[in-house]
Amino acid sequence: ILNVEQSPQSLHVQEGDSTNFTCSFPSSNFYALHWYRWETAKSPEALFVMTLNGDEKKKGRISATLNTKEGYSYLYIKGSQPEDSATYLCAFEPNFNKFYFGSGTKLNVKP
Amino acid sequence: DTGVSQDPRHKITKRGQNVTFRCDPISEHNRLYWYRQTLGQGPEFLTYFQNEAQLEKSRLLSDRFSAERPKGSFSTLEIQRTEQGDSAMYLCASSLAAAGDGYTFGSGTRLTVV
Repeated sequence: ILNVEQSPQSLHVQEGDSTNFTCSFPSSNFYALHWYRWETAKSPEALFVMTLNGDEKKKGRISATLNTKEGYSYLYIKGSQPEDSATYLCAFEPNFNKFYFGSGTKLNVKP
Repeated sequence: DTGVSQDPRHKITKRGQNVTFRCDPISEHNRLYWYRQTLGQGPEFLTYFQNEAQLEKSRLLSDRFSAERPKGSFSTLEIQRTEQGDSAMYLCASSLAAAGDGYTFGSGTRLTVV
């Protein structure tokens, strides 16, 4: 079983704060790293698929970076809004199409 | 196509009963996955299908669990003689092999065994 760790487990921020989370994964045998956003009572929603060392992806106020050599990815949210409140999951894919998930970072943004 | 559908959304059952969940994937997706998430943990892999063939099963999947995908479309996950430890969110996802885009998830079936 591969170990994928996310930190912090939970985060409470004020509206307008910027924040970031970490996903650590084994640095050997890398295919892709995925970020998902999961709101309560909904399906996990794909945010980013990252495949190359040094990749940086951006979608609106959310961005992510990838370091495959040292085995980590960061997810950044700039100017958090209450609607950003969700659990953010990362999934490590060492071989095509088999995912290993972290336990998620639960973000709560207070208005 | 409205995405991946799972039914039911919630299931409460008594210990010892059998339960069955259904997943309808995106129609053109040939891979279908079952994951289980317990409180405080990330989703854990249970099994996956490519078309109708079950290609891998996790050691987490005891003999009481069985999954089928008879015609390569929808899938069912059955748990026999449920135990309290089976209480979890059961997530289904589908993907297109060779797309490299990752999974599309359903919203899950939450099972509570009392």
